[in-house]
Amino acid sequence: DAEITQSPRHKITETGRQVTLACHQTWNHNNMFWYRQDLGHGLRLIHYSYGVQDTNKGEVSDGYSVSRSNTEDLPLTLESAASSQTSVYFCASRQGDTGELFFGEGSRLTVL
Amino acid sequence: GQNIDQPTEMTATEGAIVQINCTYQTSGFNGLFWYQQHAGEAPTFLSYNVLDGLEEKGRFSSFLSRSKGYSYLLLKELQMKDSASYLCAVMDSNYQLIWGAGTKLIIKP
Repeated sequence: DAEITQSPRHKITETGRQVTLACHQTWNHNNMFWYRQDLGHGLRLIHYSYGVQDTNKGEVSDGYSVSRSNTEDLPLTLESAASSQTSVYFCASRQGDTGELFFGEGSRLTVL
Repeated sequence: GQNIDQPTEMTATEGAIVQINCTYQTSGFNGLFWYQQHAGEAPTFLSYNVLDGLEEKGRFSSFLSRSKGYSYLLLKELQMKDSASYLCAVMDSNYQLIWGAGTKLIIKP
């Protein structure tokens, strides 16, 4: 069965460290997204990609970067982790512009 | 600005019916989604409305009125497993999803 997986599922790091969260999907979807989810807020878009070598900033992109070297993967990098980036991160993918999103299981990141 | 409003929390009784409302103001409209999210898990797709009216899918129904910027999710014959957060999201003119903060539904026996 096709799926979307994230790793690590839990990560504790220190302020200033670089952190990379992996996202891998086997749906062969062109569109991939990274969201963060915090209490009291809806899912907020960090970065997204519509295909290989395409990346775009979302509403909360500061301090984050992504790269898309193949269809399956969209890793999210925190260049210098800050306590404000403590959150649950969800990767998602969809085929086309209007299809439903399929979410990974989430990565809980704590920055101390 | 773009805004999605839904109640923060609702409580209902097992076997009953509950209606979760969502109002929105967005730049353009390309459909409205409802997702279910159990605690500690990923959101999963429930429904999609792009035209006015009611879409029924088993115990769950979703209604849309584009002129009023309003949708609701109706859950019938509530079961304990329906305890979850329900997320409303609107696809704007750029095909980006704008998410509400979610409604936590508590089911009591």
